[in-house]
Amino acid sequence: AQSVTQLGSHVSVSEGALVLLRCNYSSSVPPYLFWYVQYPNQGLQLLLKYTSAATLVKGINGFEAEFKKSETSFHLTKPSAHMSDAAEYFCAVSRNTDKLIFGTGTRLQVFP
Amino acid sequence: DAGVIQSPRHEVTEMGQEVTLRCKPISGHDYLFWYRQTMMRGLELLIYFNNNVPIDDSGMPEDRFSAKMPNASFSTLKIQPSEPRDSAVYFCASRVTGSGTEAFFGQGTRLTVV
Repeated sequence: AQSVTQLGSHVSVSEGALVLLRCNYSSSVPPYLFWYVQYPNQGLQLLLKYTSAATLVKGINGFEAEFKKSETSFHLTKPSAHMSDAAEYFCAVSRNTDKLIFGTGTRLQVFP
Repeated sequence: DAGVIQSPRHEVTEMGQEVTLRCKPISGHDYLFWYRQTMMRGLELLIYFNNNVPIDDSGMPEDRFSAKMPNASFSTLKIQPSEPRDSAVYFCASRVTGSGTEAFFGQGTRLTVV
């Protein structure tokens, strides 16, 4: 069975600091991995996805994630946080055209 | 394309009443998902369809919940009778067949049952 684990339900950083949101996956076959962002009172929006083309994936708003098979991880990073990055972030996994299974989410707070 | 469209955006209803949530997926997408989001349980997959056929409804909490997809451009999620614990944000998402394709989400329906 597939699953993802997001370590840390809340992460707080100062504006300009590195953002690191952790995601570990469990899958018996090579997975497809996704990061979504949810702003208040909004739906989920895709940030980036891994589909085996490249292990380092660049997404929107300066975010990127690296697929590490040896660590079964797909952590999300951004070199310098902006106030506008404050939101909830979800990691998700799927196989082929199957359903997306989401993690429990990480709420990012950015302090001035 | 206008994206996934859900209606209504907000719904307040009394316990025991029937509630119907509506979703129009993106044209050409053959997968449709219904999710529920609460503080306690996070984002839960309730049911999903492929080519209008329900594939997995194991996430539907009880018989009070039902979902239909009469055609490729419309789906409903019905709760009858509604209860206060059904209060949540309900999301619809659609996806096109293909390896690694992402799901596109609607804005959600915030349901409050009083």
